[in-house]
Amino acid sequence: QSVLTQPPSASGTPGQTVTISCSGSSSNIGTKFVHWYQQLPGAAPKLLIYRNNQRPSGVPDRFSGSKSGTSASLAISGLRSEDEADYSCAAWDDNLGHWLFGGGTRLTVL
Amino acid sequence: EVQLAESGGGLVQPGGSLRLSCGASGFSFSGYAMTWVRQAPGKGLEWVSGISGSGDTTYYADSVKGRFTVSRDNSKNTLYLQMNSLRVEDTAVYYCAREPIPAVGFGYFDFWGQGSLVSVSS
Repeated sequence: QSVLTQPPSASGTPGQTVTISCSGSSSNIGTKFVHWYQQLPGAAPKLLIYRNNQRPSGVPDRFSGSKSGTSASLAISGLRSEDEADYSCAAWDDNLGHWLFGGGTRLTVL
Repeated sequence: EVQLAESGGGLVQPGGSLRLSCGASGFSFSGYAMTWVRQAPGKGLEWVSGISGSGDTTYYADSVKGRFTVSRDNSKNTLYLQMNSLRVEDTAVYYCAREPIPAVGFGYFDFWGQGSLVSVSS
């Protein structure tokens, strides 16, 4: 059971905007940066968003991140079929003294 | 170009041992913390262990503490994970990943390897 809570699934049609949530606590999301990873089918995870809302070079601006209190969100606008993947949030936890991942959200493009 | 390549996975019986390696290239290895993350079949990502750039500080998930040991050889640009007393629930693809700073927990995982499958079964 992950300490960072994500919905197991999300879906949308091409062109829509989808939002994936990640809920934590004061010892992780509340005081630490949140990072997001994308894992395409059969591939290794890839950094998608770092430090709450920063995009690495090469990540389209259709992907955006935000954080408020002990929750964070990943928004994907202009949904495309190639966005179909698993998305996981991560944050360091000061109480546990290690990294935490959310359980992951499988995005389906209908 | 940053590259990470895991090796050493395979099939092992419960109670057995295995050592994973992660060869790094394309960056100054000792300047970066490194981490192991695993993914059980059909499950999400689980952080396993991290080590600072100098190798003097290590961290472990509770699920592997006392059984797994992370280490690195900066002269060989290689990260290791010694896994002892393996359990069926350790079956997973193990990824190595880099944090873009020397200390564990202050960065994020900016580059990942392709993963190495560890299967624990009798």
